Amino acid sequence: SAVISQKPSRDICQRGTSLTIQCQVDSQVTMMFWYRQQPGQSLTLIATANQGSEATYESGFVIDKFPISRPNLTFSTLTVSNMSPEDSSIYLCSVDRQYNEQFFGPGTRLTVL
Amino acid sequence: EDQVTQSPEALRLQEGESSSLNCSYTVSGLRGLFWYRQDPGKGPEFLFTLYSAGEEKEKERLKATLTKKESFLHITAPKPEDSATYLCAVQDNTGKLIFGQGTTLQVKP
Repeated sequence: SAVISQKPSRDICQRGTSLTIQCQVDSQVTMMFWYRQQPGQSLTLIATANQGSEATYESGFVIDKFPISRPNLTFSTLTVSNMSPEDSSIYLCSVDRQYNEQFFGPGTRLTVL
Repeated sequence: EDQVTQSPEALRLQEGESSSLNCSYTVSGLRGLFWYRQDPGKGPEFLFTLYSAGEEKEKERLKATLTKKESFLHITAPKPEDSATYLCAVQDNTGKLIFGQGTTLQVKP
């Protein structure tokens, strides 16, 4: 398995501001993923972050709104920019380990007022 | 279009009452089918990956099976601590996971 931590665990933010979420893994991984889980919904992939290259975004998600950094093989950040109440969600990072197993962090619960 | 459908949406069982959760899928280039457990306020916890039709995996009271079109998560003699949302996801050939809506299981003592 993998030990994945996220910071912050939760936050309450004002409309129009930005929040950067950090994801730290206990060992080097090639692929890291960022997901969103809106209230009462399942998980939706935002983007895939590979070290040394630009993140790949899924349909409906854009870099200006969700910029991602991947400075090394154990760390990534996701920024939620110019937030609105519709951005209130749980944001989760995950990593792809051996045998195509994906493990998830504990999530960041974001509330936008 | 890749799609994952889970049923039922919610399931209430008495302790010891066995049942099955269903996950039907359509995907181009299946790399694997994943089952996760998610407790309220937490990230999904990995349970199983299945790769090919006919494959089965077990963990305690849980057993997952896979056919070409669907997967089942069988829960034998469940306990209250098995109460959670169970998520099914398929992985396409890019590594991306497509999740179903989940089945929320409640096991009453």
